[in-house]
Amino acid sequence: DAKTTQPNSMESNEEEPVHLPCNHSTISGTDYIHWYRQLPSQGPEYVIHGLTSNVNNRMASLAIAEDRKSSTLILHRATLRDAAVYYCILNNFNKFYFGSGTKLNVKP
Amino acid sequence: EPEVTQTPSHQVTQMGQEVILRCVPISNHLYFYWYRQILGQKVEFLVSFYNNEISEKSEIFDDQFSVERPDGSNFTLKIRSTKLEDSAMYFCASRGRSVPLHFGNGTRLTVT
Repeated sequence: DAKTTQPNSMESNEEEPVHLPCNHSTISGTDYIHWYRQLPSQGPEYVIHGLTSNVNNRMASLAIAEDRKSSTLILHRATLRDAAVYYCILNNFNKFYFGSGTKLNVKP
Repeated sequence: EPEVTQTPSHQVTQMGQEVILRCVPISNHLYFYWYRQILGQKVEFLVSFYNNEISEKSEIFDDQFSVERPDGSNFTLKIRSTKLEDSAMYFCASRGRSVPLHFGNGTRLTVT
């Protein structure tokens, strides 16, 4: 299964943008790139996903490198409620395997 | 917004006992999953289920585990003879024909 690599932790100030990187150098042509986050004491929650083009939704933006070997989740203005573990996942049909994730700490 | 619901929220059982964790996926969803998360560790895939059969399973999902969709609404995970190392949060998830996965808030299983 294709593997993702993320920094263990990152810190951000409230109201500032956050860029969460993910490397997936072994990605195959049919793998989608997904991001989920897990707030404390909750199940994972969908954030965004994409295949080749950059994507925007109400929660975040996803920037995908041209060679698809890396991607970046962008939170435009971090809030205290965005403090969570963020997982970058490669999905191919029915397979969703979580990596270790990045723990995001947001400082007031 | 429809939700995946899991019961109970916390289950305590003795080693060697059978336990059944229950999930009610979102009603029109077709694909069902179980994941587990040992305290402080990452979310681990156990099994996926589609069209009344297992479509993928991980190495963790051995003969001690089974899944069932006994009626049109419930999706269960059974652990036949629990071990101490089965203590974890167990998450159920479901999805329709397209993504995303919708997760429940989990059942915390404590094996003593």
